[in-house]
Amino acid sequence: EVQLVESGGGLVQPGGSLRLSCAASGFTFSTYAISWVRQAPGKGLEWVSSVSADGGSTYYADSVKGRFTVSRDNSKNTLYLQINGLRAEDTAVYYCAKRPPIGQFHFEYWGLGTLVTVSP
Amino acid sequence: QSALTQPRSVSGSPGQSVTISCTGTSSDIGIYNYVSWYQQHPGKAPKLMIYDVTKRPSGVPDRFSGSKSDNAASLTISGLQADDEADYYCCSHAATWVFGGGTKLTVL
Repeated sequence: EVQLVESGGGLVQPGGSLRLSCAASGFTFSTYAISWVRQAPGKGLEWVSSVSADGGSTYYADSVKGRFTVSRDNSKNTLYLQINGLRAEDTAVYYCAKRPPIGQFHFEYWGLGTLVTVSP
Repeated sequence: QSALTQPRSVSGSPGQSVTISCTGTSSDIGIYNYVSWYQQHPGKAPKLMIYDVTKRPSGVPDRFSGSKSDNAASLTISGLQADDEADYYCCSHAATWVFGGGTKLTVL
């Protein structure tokens, strides 16, 4: 059974940093691209970032480019999102989502999310 | 990329059909057949319901169907059931991914 478990969220002051993690199990982690998608309270979904299966290619939404860094450790079956320079508008539940094999562009499995709250 | 446009809410009675629209542009929905739809119950993670415009993942009832015409996509739910009440999001992939603002489906 595919499982994605996010962690690392919490309350952070504006300008602060956090590292989110997404622990994966139930599939061969190193062969799938993974993405981060966030959802502000009461708002819709927003794609944040994606990383290729080997970690060699990364992609970011314009709203987070330069502040967020996605990475993965395939030996630990774990995805990371380093978030710097946090802003109030980054307050959201952050989901990691597994994509299907290469050449497909939807999110087939999602974790339960981790909440990031940015407040003084 | 700007968010795709969805109606804020739709409603229907049990057994009826509803259609949720998703309007994009020639730069997203209009380019490829990479439209997907997600169902989200309150406090839960999104669930994939439709991908590649018309395909259903294993386990999704055939009451759910998708279509696309030019720069717009649609999700149709037939034989509405109480458990279908949820938020629904469309998503399109071109260079990156863009979601719609979400539609709240109420089953009357």
